[in-house]
Formats: sequence, structure tokens, C-alpha cells
Amino acid sequence: EIVLTQSPATLSLSPGERATLSCRASQSVSSLLAWYQQKPGQAPRLLIYDASNRATGIPARFSGSGSGTDFTLTISSLEPEDFAIYYCQQRSTWPLTFGGGTKVEIK
Amino acid sequence: EVQVLESGGRLVQPGGSLRLSCSASGFTFTNYAMCWVRQAPGKGLEWISCISGSDGRTYYADSVKGRFTISRDNSKNTLDLQMNSLRAEDTAVYYCARRGGNGWGFFDYWGQGTLVTVSS
Repeated sequence: EIVLTQSPATLSLSPGERATLSCRASQSVSSLLAWYQQKPGQAPRLLIYDASNRATGIPARFSGSGSGTDFTLTISSLEPEDFAIYYCQQRSTWPLTFGGGTKVEIK
Repeated sequence: EVQVLESGGRLVQPGGSLRLSCSASGFTFTNYAMCWVRQAPGKGLEWISCISGSDGRTYYADSVKGRFTISRDNSKNTLDLQMNSLRAEDTAVYYCARRGGNGWGFFDYWGQGTLVTVSS
């Protein structure tokens, strides 16, 4: 099983600041990694797929990078609606796995 | 508009059984694998099962293998999850999700979730 480790667990930032979230895989997943955003009481929403492609309707302030084992989600300038939990997920190998999540909270 | 909608969650006793359903619309159902993902209260996301679009191939997480069965009815655009031998640790919100892209991509559409509580 591929283990995805997200860091930090919590990121405390102010609106307008840049957020950098990390996801590290225990073995290579090539570029087969996605990022999701989840707000309280809501289902997750796909943000980034195949490491760097924005999903439909996702604002340009969200970007993804990386390949192999190290991946980054960057939010260039935090908007109030961006404070949420973010998960990475790989589809390289069964079982599909998610990271433990990074909570982006208002400082 | 793509929509997926789960139903069937409720309180069930340990060792009991429950069947969840997911109704899908707005896309060609047979072209996409469909999956269940769960989230225990206050915890992260856990993939538990997928089924292919047309040939019925199934995949399970070890945590549910042998206890849960995924199935689909392509004539009705529905996805089911039969859950047997339920345990307290199965308590979670269960999401139905579509695998997008070529049908085996990432989870691009999710339902709102249905809560399963396993407790005596």
C-alpha cells in the first residue's frame, strides 16, 4: 500500500497569504496524484488531477506540482473561502489511498 | 448536470447488515467506474471499493474485503454497497463518487454522503 504523508497538519495563515501544502508518497506514483478540498459538512471537491491539472471551474490561484514521490499544492493568495481541509490521493496502485489531510486555518 | 445521490444510511447494531444505494444522472453511467469512499467522524477519507463501468470488475480495501459487496445496475444507473458483519469502526459518512477522465481517473463527482452508525 502506498502511504501518502501530508505536511504540515495545520497551516495558519491570513487571507492574501500564499499557502504551500506538501504530499509525500512512500513510493513513486508518477504523476497520478490529485488534490481535494473539503469544507465542514460538505463532500470533497476535486481541485487538481494528474499532479498539475486544474479541475473544471477551479480558480487559477490553485496550482499543483511534482512527480514521483513529492508533490505540492500552492494557493497563491488565500481567499476567505479557501480555509478548509486539503487531501491528496493517488491512483497509481490499488488500494487507492488518501493522505491524512492539511487543515488551512485563519490566523 | 452530473448528480450522484446516496441513500440508506442509518443506525445499525454491531454484526448487522445494511445496504446503501447511489443514484446517478447526467452522464453515461456505463462509461465510468464508480466507487465508495468513507469518512469516520472527525477523520480523513478512506477509499473502500470500486466497480468498473461495464464488465463488473470489483476492488476492495482490505478493511472491508469479505464483508462488503459493491454492485451496480447499469439499466437503472444505480450503485449499491451491501455491508455485512458491521463493526463500530465502520461508523462513517459514506460517499458515492464517480471516477472521471477516461473512467478510471480521480473522483470528480461526489454525492453528499449518507451516515452509517454502528452501535448498540
